[in-house]
Amino acid sequence: GAVVSQHPSWVICKSGTSVKIECRSLDFQATTMFWYRQFPKQSLMLMATSNEGSKATYEQGVEKDKFLINHASLTLSTLTVTSAHPEDSSFYICSAGQEEYSPLHFGNGTRLTVT
Amino acid sequence: GQNIDQPTEMTATEGAIVQINCTYQTSGFNGLFWYQQHAGEAPTFLSYNVLDGLEEKGRFSSFLSRSKGYSYLLLKELQMKDSASYLCAVSDSNYQLIWGAGTKLIIKP
Repeated sequence: GAVVSQHPSWVICKSGTSVKIECRSLDFQATTMFWYRQFPKQSLMLMATSNEGSKATYEQGVEKDKFLINHASLTLSTLTVTSAHPEDSSFYICSAGQEEYSPLHFGNGTRLTVT
Repeated sequence: GQNIDQPTEMTATEGAIVQINCTYQTSGFNGLFWYQQHAGEAPTFLSYNVLDGLEEKGRFSSFLSRSKGYSYLLLKELQMKDSASYLCAVSDSNYQLIWGAGTKLIIKP
């Protein structure tokens, strides 16, 4: 079945540094990938929609200069958290669907802790 | 605006049946999804309904009524491992997923 791989699973970084998270669709091509953030005991919050070959579409309130998204190929999207701060500590999850109406397949998530 | 409503938390007994409701108001409709999410893990797909009626898949069933903007997820023969959050999500006219806040299901022995 369709698999989405996300790396790293967890990362600890110092305040002010940048962290890159990768999301790969392993056995299908994804023109669109989605990035979510989830705080403890809360539901998924869509951050942005990553479109292959074009600029990402960011949700209201999400700083595009802070959360850089690159979707350079049909199987890879990256999210870079720039100048991370402790309040950026969260669970970041990516997802992709094979077609617009198909179920999403989620990566395993990345737990980011900024100290 | 677009809105998905589902109960915040439910409690049920092992071996019993529980129904988790979801009501929605969205701009267009291209299907409704149910996902299960265990604490600290990514969501996993449970079901997809685009036509009215009941879809059964093992112990889990999902029902949809488009005219009422209503769905439910039915879990039978509950097991302790079913303790998780259950997320309802609707695909709108632009195929964008609108997420509910999730229902935390607590299973007691």
